[in-house]
Amino acid sequence: NAGVTQTPKFQVLKTGQSMTLQCAQDMNHEYMSWYRQDPGMGLRLIHYSVGAGITDQGEVPNGYNVSRSTTEDFPLRLLSAAPSQTSVYFCASSRGAGQGGRTEAFFGQGTRLTVV
Amino acid sequence: GDSVTQMEGPVTLSEEAFLTINCTYTATGYPSLFWYVQYPGEGLQLLLKATKADDKGSNKGFEATYRKETTSFHLEKGSVQVSDSAVYFCALGTGNQFYFGTGTSLTVIP
Repeated sequence: NAGVTQTPKFQVLKTGQSMTLQCAQDMNHEYMSWYRQDPGMGLRLIHYSVGAGITDQGEVPNGYNVSRSTTEDFPLRLLSAAPSQTSVYFCASSRGAGQGGRTEAFFGQGTRLTVV
Repeated sequence: GDSVTQMEGPVTLSEEAFLTINCTYTATGYPSLFWYVQYPGEGLQLLLKATKADDKGSNKGFEATYRKETTSFHLEKGSVQVSDSAVYFCALGTGNQFYFGTGTSLTVIP
């Protein structure tokens, strides 16, 4: 009963370093997405994918890359970390939309990233 | 565009008090509406949902009704407990996206 699994849970990076946040789901969901959560700003969508091989940008995509080679995995890459990317990152997945509305999203436990 | 606006916090209530957290939305089409709860250090968990107008979602004593005429999905609970202390997010799901409110922090004191 794993659901959505994110690794690592905590990470400290130096400015300019790169890293990949991992996200995997075992529910065969088509839709996966990455959000960042900052105080007072709720969740902001970074990138999303509606299926393997298909990705698109969200509200705040700059500085991040994604790919979706399998249904299960949706890694988020920070190309050159900046202090402004200090945040908590959440991965989520859901089934396809039904009759216009989207089914609920399942969230991972989050990755707390600090860039110094 | 589609969006969600929810009541600003923080909210502090005494145990057994009545809770209302307001949420209104703007959407084209026929979105689904959700309330999520986030406990400290954890991810968001689905609390309840409604997929069409006049649906009432309920779970753990919480309720919300999908009101198309007022574009609202207010969260209510008749008697809160200390264990309900958390951050609550209203969300809208439509097409390929979810839209989240900024969250309302609730603290329940004994």
